[in-house]
Amino acid sequence: DQQVKQNSPSLSVQEGRISILNCDYTNSMFDYFLWYKKYPAEGPTFLISISSIKDKNEDGRFTVFLNKSAKHLSLHIVPSQPGDSAVYFCAASGGNQFYFGTGTSLTVIP
Amino acid sequence: SAVISQKPSRDICQRGTSLTIQCQVDSQVTMMFWYRQQPGQSLTLIATANQGSEATYESGFVIDKFPISRPNLTFSTLTVSNMSPEDSSIYLCSVDFGRALGYGYTFGSGTRLTVV
Repeated sequence: DQQVKQNSPSLSVQEGRISILNCDYTNSMFDYFLWYKKYPAEGPTFLISISSIKDKNEDGRFTVFLNKSAKHLSLHIVPSQPGDSAVYFCAASGGNQFYFGTGTSLTVIP
Repeated sequence: SAVISQKPSRDICQRGTSLTIQCQVDSQVTMMFWYRQQPGQSLTLIATANQGSEATYESGFVIDKFPISRPNLTFSTLTVSNMSPEDSSIYLCSVDFGRALGYGYTFGSGTRLTVV
């Protein structure tokens, strides 16, 4: 049973525009959410996190929004850059274990 | 954050053989985690490796298939035993530096395993 879902396997965006990556979860007990970025042949690297007590967290060009009632979070990248092209995983946790989505492959077109 | 060295980075193995993956962390950590990412699927936790005790396996994963060693606070190995093509995946080790710091897991670079 997939507790964290990323329904868009891929996304293409023009350089300079906004990239919006979406993630849905099913477990209302999750209280901590993260986004990871993964380049080919590398492990995932931590990007940004948000606790369930917040609905927004911003770090430079990256902003994560959390809508608890909808069990939905999103990652906004503004402005998008070609170096942002990677696979993005969202992850959620209610304890020690993290549950990952299947990833969204972002391509930023120069 | 810590630096994790994982090896091998990739391997092609024959059916029925075993492969041991190593992870070395440059800091002492209590728990190390082993994940698998099968093609087109999400990262799935295999087991949690604690130093000084047996690993804790998630549902669907057993010690006979994925034996884990954790001899000290900076090193762990995962063995994929009696491999079949279904074991072809990326295997990743990771450590958790604590949500109190606002961070999630740090991952090794992964081992891409192909079983033929």
